[in-house]
Amino acid sequence: EIVLTQSPGTLSLSPGERVTLSCRASQSVSTSFFAWYQQKGGQAPRLLIYETSTRATGIPDRFSGSGSGTDFTLTISRLEPEDFAVYYCQQYVGSPRTFGQGTKLEIK
Amino acid sequence: EVQLVQSGAELQKPGESLKISCKASGYTFTKYWIGWVRQVPGKGLEWMGIVYPGDADTRYSPAFEGQVTISADTSMNTAYLQWSSLKASDTAMYYCARHRREVVTAHEPFHIWGQGTMVTVSS
Repeated sequence: EIVLTQSPGTLSLSPGERVTLSCRASQSVSTSFFAWYQQKGGQAPRLLIYETSTRATGIPDRFSGSGSGTDFTLTISRLEPEDFAVYYCQQYVGSPRTFGQGTKLEIK
Repeated sequence: EVQLVQSGAELQKPGESLKISCKASGYTFTKYWIGWVRQVPGKGLEWMGIVYPGDADTRYSPAFEGQVTISADTSMNTAYLQWSSLKASDTAMYYCARHRREVVTAHEPFHIWGQGTMVTVSS
């Protein structure tokens, strides 16, 4: 099983700031099979990024993804109030598919 | 509009059986993998498994294989998650979700999500 480890667990930031979230895989993952999701309180997750760097439909361009091998990142260029949520990475090549444990972005 | 609408919250006793549903609309049900994700209150997301309604091919996470059954009824455009004997540790929110693309490969992210079904197991 591919284990995904996200860091940090929680980030306290202010609107307008830039943030980079990290996800490290226990073994190499093809960039074609890596995604990021956002989950706000009481809501279902939402797909943000797939294939490491492609934004899903309707996702603002302040969200960007990058990485390769075992290290992947999600960057939000300028935080908006609605971006404070929990973010999960996922690999969808291995069996089973796995998620990271999540990074919570909270307002400072 | 593409939608997944899940059945309502459940309160069950340990040892009871349960089947929750996920009704799809707005797309060709048989052409997309659909799956289930568990979220224990206050915890992260766990991938449980997926089914391809077109041919009933099903894949499970080892953590859930033998513990649940994932199925799909193409006449009802509905996917199901069922338990034969619930445990208190099954208490969680369960989301159904559809793969992003209409392809045969099982390697896709989840793009369309249901609203979730809360299952509580307590004596």
